[in-house]
Amino acid sequence: AQSVSQHNHHVILSEAASLELGCNYSYGGTVNLFWYVQYPGQHLQLLLKYFSGDPLVKGIKGFEAEFIKSKFSFNLRKPSVQWSDTAEYFCAVTHNAGNMLTFGGGTRLMVKP
Amino acid sequence: NAGVTQTPKFQVLKTGQSMTLQCAQDMNHEYMSWYRQDPGMGLRLIHYSVGAGITDQGEVPNGYNVSRSTTEDFPLRLLSAAPSQTSVYFCASSRQTGSYEQYFGPGTRLTVT
Repeated sequence: AQSVSQHNHHVILSEAASLELGCNYSYGGTVNLFWYVQYPGQHLQLLLKYFSGDPLVKGIKGFEAEFIKSKFSFNLRKPSVQWSDTAEYFCAVTHNAGNMLTFGGGTRLMVKP
Repeated sequence: NAGVTQTPKFQVLKTGQSMTLQCAQDMNHEYMSWYRQDPGMGLRLIHYSVGAGITDQGEVPNGYNVSRSTTEDFPLRLLSAAPSQTSVYFCASSRQTGSYEQYFGPGTRLTVT
């Protein structure tokens, strides 16, 4: 079955540490890739998206992600996390030019001050 | 613009009761969808609509009904609530073509006892 996998369910980091969250998908064909963030008690917000072109995508708040087609991956990175990055992060995919998002299970990030 | 709005924010139901979760958007988006969020499972698509009068099932449609009589509104109905429907429900909308970026509402936390 087609799916989106996020390998880390919980991540704890200290401020200024680097972050990489893994995301793999199993779809063939054309995909659009997204990372959403959900801060405590809030709704989902788009961090960044990839549709085509440069596989290194820069988003808001210093986040970036790299699309590696051969590995079916779209990992999220940030060089130096802040306490305010504490949130849950979701990778999501749409495929074949559709709107239906399929989400990964999410990764809870806690950043210790 | 208010974006995507949802009411109520919180709801407690007894098993067997019915209710409607409301969702509205003021961005003239053609595509609207409902997701449920459960711990460790990310968001799963319940139903979606590509325009007024057109709805379809997502990944987990059982126990839920939807209708789309206007572009703006996309209510989700629970006909006979069950404890398994305890969850946080998110409505989202996007343009049907183009960037496909989906905008999420603030969510409704539903508890069924």
